Amino acid sequence: EAQVTQNPRYLITVTGKKLTVTCSQNMNHEYMSWYRQDPGLGLRQIYYSMNVEVTDKGDVPEGYKVSRKEKRNFPLILESPSPNQTSLYFCASSLLKGQGEETQYFGPGTRLLVL
Amino acid sequence: AQKVTQAQTEISVVEKEDVTLDCVYETRDTTYYLFWYKQPPSGELVFLIRRNSFDEQNEISGRYSWNFQKSTSSFNFTITASQVVDSAVYFCALRRETQGGSEKLVFGKGTKLTVNP
Repeated sequence: EAQVTQNPRYLITVTGKKLTVTCSQNMNHEYMSWYRQDPGLGLRQIYYSMNVEVTDKGDVPEGYKVSRKEKRNFPLILESPSPNQTSLYFCASSLLKGQGEETQYFGPGTRLLVL
Repeated sequence: AQKVTQAQTEISVVEKEDVTLDCVYETRDTTYYLFWYKQPPSGELVFLIRRNSFDEQNEISGRYSWNFQKSTSSFNFTITASQVVDSAVYFCALRRETQGGSEKLVFGKGTKLTVNP
């Protein structure tokens, strides 16, 4: 089954304790991206990757890191989480534009609470 | 600037009513893609439809239909004979290619649809 998986689905942590949210897709997609969803602000892009070892900032990258060592995985790293990073996080993947299937498929989401 | 506006914040209907969710977009790109996603109470984002800017043909899928009109920059979504299971937040999104190569989605704020039995 084609899917995007994220782990953990729920996480409660404390300020300053490093954490990683994993994202994996099995569709051989080049493009992967992280979004966060906040009430009243909608979904905003954090980071994206066009391919292995190619990553770049989205609209709200502060406080986050990513890596793309393998095509299927795109972990989101919070080196020193703060309460303003409490949010619902989504990983998404797709083929690149022009490859015939431009739909971005989303993972199930990770609810993060930073105390 | 790229923008997606969903003017209806919340809509409440009674089961079996038809309901239309509005989406208006702004873009200077000539090539772009429009999407609708459904976010049920469980929280996941479910893809419903993709439409590219060169294809203005309306689409019907079961009780769902979409009306794309470039002249008014609108991509409206209609649910016919709504059901309680249609209760969700629905997002309209625009995919664009930025200078840096990102093909990010720009989302509207969403419309919360409640279908009452």
